[in-house]
Amino acid sequence: NAGVTQTPKFRVLKTGQSMTLLCAQDMNHEYMYWYRQDPGMGLRLIHYSVGEGTTAKGEVPDGYNVSRLKKQNFLLGLESAAPSQTSVYFCASSWTGGGYGYTFGSGTRLTVV
Amino acid sequence: AQTVTQSQPEMSVQEAETVTLSCTYDTSESDYYLFWYKQPPSRQMILVIRQEAYKQQNATENRFSVNFQKAAKSFSLKISDSQLGDAAMYFCAYRSARGEYGNKLVFGAGTILRVKS
Repeated sequence: NAGVTQTPKFRVLKTGQSMTLLCAQDMNHEYMYWYRQDPGMGLRLIHYSVGEGTTAKGEVPDGYNVSRLKKQNFLLGLESAAPSQTSVYFCASSWTGGGYGYTFGSGTRLTVV
Repeated sequence: AQTVTQSQPEMSVQEAETVTLSCTYDTSESDYYLFWYKQPPSRQMILVIRQEAYKQQNATENRFSVNFQKAAKSFSLKISDSQLGDAAMYFCAYRSARGEYGNKLVFGAGTILRVKS
């Protein structure tokens, strides 16, 4: 099925460990996004990309890095995980322009202990 | 910067009844889009309905409809004939028509809807 695939779905990290979340879309969307969801705060934008080879910071970028080497993939990296990064992470993609909604991945629940 | 406010952290509705979820937003723009997303316990984000700000007519999708008041910057979601499957977290979201920030979606904090049988 066409859509956005996120891996892994669950992960537990120790403080200071690193990891990469993978996001792949097969809809040829130009725009891709990484959000984090925390109780009472909705979804907040971490980083986004408007095309292959481009990335930009969102509202809460500290502690994260991203790369978009191929149009269909958007990677989110945590270099040194902290308990404050315990969250649910969503990847999403979209056509250009504001009139379209996002297509979301199924989310990654990350716990940092 | 645009903001979205959902003032109801939780709502309850009896099965088959109607419920309205509130959403207000703040923007200085005139051209934008508004969305309601549903997040059931599966965590999947599902688009429920969208509204274009330049359209006065309120959007409807089956049992879901919106009351869009542009001057008041209000965008409420009405769910008619509520069903058990409607139980979920609902997010209101704003998206600018301008290209800044990749046309990012700005989300409210969400409203948990509980449906009682």
